[in-house]
Amino acid sequence: AQTVTQSQPEMSVQEAETVTLSCTYDTSESDYYLFWYKQPPSRQMILVIRQEAYKQQNATENRFSVNFQKAAKSFSLKISDSQLGDAAMYFCASYSGGGADGLTFGKGTHLIIQP
Amino acid sequence: DVKVTQSSRYLVKRTGEKVFLECVQDMDHENMFWYRQDPGLGLRLIYFSYDVKMKEKGDIPEGYSVSREKKERFSLILESASTNQTSMYLCASSPGTALNEQYFGPGTRLTVT
Repeated sequence: AQTVTQSQPEMSVQEAETVTLSCTYDTSESDYYLFWYKQPPSRQMILVIRQEAYKQQNATENRFSVNFQKAAKSFSLKISDSQLGDAAMYFCASYSGGGADGLTFGKGTHLIIQP
Repeated sequence: DVKVTQSSRYLVKRTGEKVFLECVQDMDHENMFWYRQDPGLGLRLIYFSYDVKMKEKGDIPEGYSVSREKKERFSLILESASTNQTSMYLCASSPGTALNEQYFGPGTRLTVT
């Protein structure tokens, strides 16, 4: 069974600053995928960034990047130049099934952006 | 744009009622999922379907059933609603395997009184 742990229920950052959200996971599979999803208030969940475990290079998407530490089973999300629109719940998720299994999600981190 | 729609944003039902939550996607995706979202617990998978008339139990299927008669539609059924099923329900779809991005609906906030 997979588990995903987000140890920060809430984080706060000043606008234009950088913030890092933590995530650790546990899986016995050698081939797996990791995701960060964003859920803005009263809006739909959207994918922020995705990392394939077999890739050593950390994924980046504009202001969003990850620090993937495979041996430590750590997958943190860094948001640079934080903007008010980044305020949301952020969920870390993993997938390692061979079929159409669902994702395993962490409990989420509520990110507050201070103007 | 991929669209996943859910029949209701808010729903209030009484204990013991049969409840149907509908989800429709317009991108011909093979896979569809129902999750339950509770504060402090994240999202938990209830059921998923990888084809018409096919379904698989997720992590918390007790008290729920599903139906997928057409590829674009995936229904979640609460046979006899109970107060502990008060929650936010999210539907998602994806092409192929879950390696691909899962597209989520807006959610249905169900209250059972």
